[in-house]
Amino acid sequence: EQQVQQSPASLVLQEGENAELQCSFSIFTNQVQWFYQRPGGRLVSLLYNPSGTKQSGRLTSTTVIKERRSSLHISSSQITDSGTYLCAMDTGYQNFYFGKGTSLTVIP
Amino acid sequence: EAAVTQSPRNKVTVTGGNVTLSCRQTNSHNYMYWYRQDTGHGLRLIHYSYGAGNLQIGDVPDGYKATRTTQEDFFLLLELASPSQTSLYFCASSDPGGDSYEQYFGPGTRLTVL
Repeated sequence: EQQVQQSPASLVLQEGENAELQCSFSIFTNQVQWFYQRPGGRLVSLLYNPSGTKQSGRLTSTTVIKERRSSLHISSSQITDSGTYLCAMDTGYQNFYFGKGTSLTVIP
Repeated sequence: EAAVTQSPRNKVTVTGGNVTLSCRQTNSHNYMYWYRQDTGHGLRLIHYSYGAGNLQIGDVPDGYKATRTTQEDFFLLLELASPSQTSLYFCASSDPGGDSYEQYFGPGTRLTVL
């Protein structure tokens, strides 16, 4: 069973548009982290958001524990935002599960 | 920011060969992890550890051993490598004893088993 589901699987935006990425979990969790990755590259932590809303620059994450979901909003997308966005959750035993990611392409 | 390094960055071996992947973190984190990343599967946890001498089994441990020799160093061992172990391997660390469970990743090791 896939513990973490991400949607959409891929997304193409024009530069300047906003993106909304979704993550849903098979169990309740209060440890949610969003990552960014270029093909074959290191995972870069974007936001650690166990609950509520957190913002970092153009990124805003909202986690609703009771609904077992988290979202990542990217405002005013830029070409350099292209890549894969991954969310991960902890089951409570320091055993992290990752979604398969959303591939974002921003075009001029 | 936490510093996690991995070596080698690329490795090619043959079926049946022995491979050791190394990971070091320099931020005194208690937890260290080994993941593999494959197209269609995403990241999957192989082994993790919460301190020197400790080892916990992840979701895909078959064919892998791991050893945590110090708080800083965590090794992944493939004693009889198989082509199915061709993958991109990541090491990560975290310190859940603090306020944040945030994970920090190394740059990855690309392993090819011929």
